Amino acid sequence: GESVGLHLPTLSVQEGDNSIINCAYSNSASDYFIWYKQESGKGPQFIIDIRSNMDKRQGQRVTVLLNKTVKHLSLQIAATQPGDSAVYFCAENKGEDRGSTLGRLYFGRGTQLTVWP
Amino acid sequence: EAQVTQNPRYLITVTGKKLTVTCSQNMNHEYMSWYRQDPGLGLRQIYYSMNVEVTDKGDVPEGYKVSRKEKRNFPLILESPSPNQTSLYFCASANHIRGEAFFGQGTRLTVV
Repeated sequence: GESVGLHLPTLSVQEGDNSIINCAYSNSASDYFIWYKQESGKGPQFIIDIRSNMDKRQGQRVTVLLNKTVKHLSLQIAATQPGDSAVYFCAENKGEDRGSTLGRLYFGRGTQLTVWP
Repeated sequence: EAQVTQNPRYLITVTGKKLTVTCSQNMNHEYMSWYRQDPGLGLRQIYYSMNVEVTDKGDVPEGYKVSRKEKRNFPLILESPSPNQTSLYFCASANHIRGEAFFGQGTRLTVV
């Protein structure tokens, strides 16, 4: 079964506020995590990734935090904009394929982020 | 332009009629993968390929076949489609080192 899940299926925020989307995973052997954004009618789009030897990684307006102790992953979006409205998925690689960061990827069910003006 | 191209975008077919969904990428990526997306279930991996002639099962491989005869193409084959294979399908490709996967626009398949 799936080991990557969500704390909330939907999240509504006001434009300009910060958003935090959470994800839980159950496999301690997972060594690579990815966040994707999927807009309506489109394929998922890579946002940011993090390896298990890191706690935090920052991109443009986004930060991913990894807490291996409680097997928790979060995506923080700063100054959320209407264009950020989408479904956000976390995905994990359980380290089953040596030599690759990908291989078998397990996705969470997604969080629908809605940004209000 | 770097892209992953799936065809067709929409397909309605009948139970048991073999079909192929094509996927092509122009980024020289080693890794390619197929997913199906169903409401409430998120994305589930069907098959993936680490390189030419190397394919492995994902989470839900039953009823599907794939081949990777050349680097750019990774077709998904349904030998005998059934209604429970009605879904939205995505193909993705990535470079092993970078890990950033690029997804196609999706193929909406309906099996009646």
